Amino acid sequence: SQQGEEDPQALSIQEGENATMNCSYKTSINNLQWYRQNSGRGLVHLILIRSNEREKHSGRLRVTLDTSKKSSSLLITASRAADTASYFCAIILSGSARQLTFGSGTQLTVLP
Amino acid sequence: EAQVTQNPRYLITVTGKKLTVTCSQNMNHEYMSWYRQDPGLGLRQIYYSMNVEVTDKGDVPEGYKVSRKEKRNFPLILESPSPNQTSLYFCASSSSGQTKETQYFGPGTRLLVL
Repeated sequence: SQQGEEDPQALSIQEGENATMNCSYKTSINNLQWYRQNSGRGLVHLILIRSNEREKHSGRLRVTLDTSKKSSSLLITASRAADTASYFCAIILSGSARQLTFGSGTQLTVLP
Repeated sequence: EAQVTQNPRYLITVTGKKLTVTCSQNMNHEYMSWYRQDPGLGLRQIYYSMNVEVTDKGDVPEGYKVSRKEKRNFPLILESPSPNQTSLYFCASSSSGQTKETQYFGPGTRLLVL
């Protein structure tokens, strides 16, 4: 499978701590995206990082991309209970149109 | 408000009874797509459409049909539903602008096939 694979599958932390999720993939990509899903609801786009970028920030989110290792990480700083959700990485393969290939997600629980 | 809408949100049906799940977006997006989400498998693409009258198979198209007669609508058709199509379905769309790779998702349709 060429899909992104998240690690860990589940993560539980205390409010105020940082949460780090990792994503690995197997082939060349155009870009990698992170999405968030609250339980049973639609996905919300968080951040996109292109293959020629190494790091991007958006508010409390920091995403890194290492194309040599075919991996990405999502860091959420100073987590809040409202950050509790599933987080998915999704890749667009090189030469692909706009087809997103999703991983199976990381379930993040932030305890108050 | 810019959004992707799906109907119905919940559906219980029986094996073999044809059904259609509608998807509509009001953002004038060219690209639309259907996904199914199953526990432990993440989201898998069923079909996608690059524009009106242009549709292509995704990773799991068997048992599904789609049509794209208008830019805003992209219905998903199950001609003869089976229990293995019980799932959570999402429609998504994206633009042709700078954020074209970013997809906007509908709220989901939870389908149970008995």
